[in-house]
Amino acid sequence: DAMVIQNPRYQVTQFGKPVTLSCSQTLNHNVMYWYQQKSSQAPKLLFHYYDKDFNNEADTPDNFQSRRPNTSFCFLDIRSPGLGDAAMYLCATSGREGLAGVNEQFFGPGTRLTVL
Amino acid sequence: SQKIEQNSEALNIQEGKTATLTCNYTNYSPAYLQWYRQDPGRGPVFLLLIRENEKEKRKERLKVTFDTTLKQSLFHITASQPADSATYLCALPRKGGSYIPTFGRGTSLIVHP
Repeated sequence: DAMVIQNPRYQVTQFGKPVTLSCSQTLNHNVMYWYQQKSSQAPKLLFHYYDKDFNNEADTPDNFQSRRPNTSFCFLDIRSPGLGDAAMYLCATSGREGLAGVNEQFFGPGTRLTVL
Repeated sequence: SQKIEQNSEALNIQEGKTATLTCNYTNYSPAYLQWYRQDPGRGPVFLLLIRENEKEKRKERLKVTFDTTLKQSLFHITASQPADSATYLCALPRKGGSYIPTFGRGTSLIVHP
């Protein structure tokens, strides 16, 4: 089945120790997104790629970086994780805009990040 | 800026009853609205999309309404089951017709057997 895969599902890191989260998709979607979601809060968009074009949200800290080496893979790098970065990180994809520019998002299962 | 409001209190209902969840929005007239389901520790899953010119949309036991005058969408689950227990999020495209959605915080639904 076509899907969005995230690895690892659980990541524990130490304060200030860089960490990379990965996302892959078999849907051949051109748009990939990274969200941060904290408990009982809405998913917060960090950035997204439209094809190879990187789009950063204005309020995403510089501590967060992303790479998309090809259509299928996207990485989230947290350069110096702080305690406040502990959250669920969700990767999502969407296809080329359909009728009237409507697109549903397909999410991966998420990576739960713990910062010690 | 656009604002999405979903009831932060959990909705508790008895199995077999109809669950109704609300999504209100302000400062905006979206062309469509989406509903997602999110289980604990998992990513959201798309359920339904309704466009501004549609009053109602149905899918099996699910029904969504969209009142552009009230700036409100209602999400109904009929004949609810314990397996329907989850958090339900609404999402609207950003202002300007963007393909990027903005999500509400969701409302937790708990269906008791």
